[in-house]
Amino acid sequence: AQKITQTQPGMFVQEKEAVTLDCTYDTSDQSYGLFWYKQPSSGEMIFLIYQGSYDEQNATEGRYSLNFQKARKSANLVISASQLGDSAMYFCAIRSNYQLIWGAGTKLIIKP
Amino acid sequence: DGGITQSPKYLFRKEGQNVTLSCEQNLNHDAMYWYRQDPGQGLRLIYYSQIVNDFQKGDIAEGYSVSREKKESFPLTVTSAQKNPTAFYLCASSIRLAGAYNEQFFGPGTRLTVL
Repeated sequence: AQKITQTQPGMFVQEKEAVTLDCTYDTSDQSYGLFWYKQPSSGEMIFLIYQGSYDEQNATEGRYSLNFQKARKSANLVISASQLGDSAMYFCAIRSNYQLIWGAGTKLIIKP
Repeated sequence: DGGITQSPKYLFRKEGQNVTLSCEQNLNHDAMYWYRQDPGQGLRLIYYSQIVNDFQKGDIAEGYSVSREKKESFPLTVTSAQKNPTAFYLCASSIRLAGAYNEQFFGPGTRLTVL
């Protein structure tokens, strides 16, 4: 069975600094996908970035990048130049076949 | 604009009552999902559907029921058999069910409180 672990329940980061949110996963599947979503206080889940298990390059989307270390089963999200609007819950999820398995999330607070 | 709508945003229910949460999408997606989110936890899958008139139980289906009579709609009924229904409910859709890359798009959610 797949499992996602996010070990940081909460983080405080100074505005404009880079931040790394940790995610480790467990799966026996050869083909899988890793997702990061952002959930602001409004509640809606917003897709940020995706990494496929066979992708050789680390995924990047604007200020978001994914530090994918397959041997370590790690898929950390890096946010560069953090902004006040980045304050939210961040969830890592793994997908195999039909289901997304979610971590418990990390609450990120950006300080001005 | 394409997207997913959920209604109502807030819902209050007395114990013993059934309530139905609405989910509509105009993205022309085949697959739809219902998740439950409790404070401090990730999402847990209640039900999913890959096509009209077909749906499957997720990890926590007990006390819930769904229907998929139209491609655009996937309502969730929280029955009186659900022991602890107070939670935040999120509906999602994706182009298809299977495949490692299959981004799910989410609605704004419904917050259900049992009084």
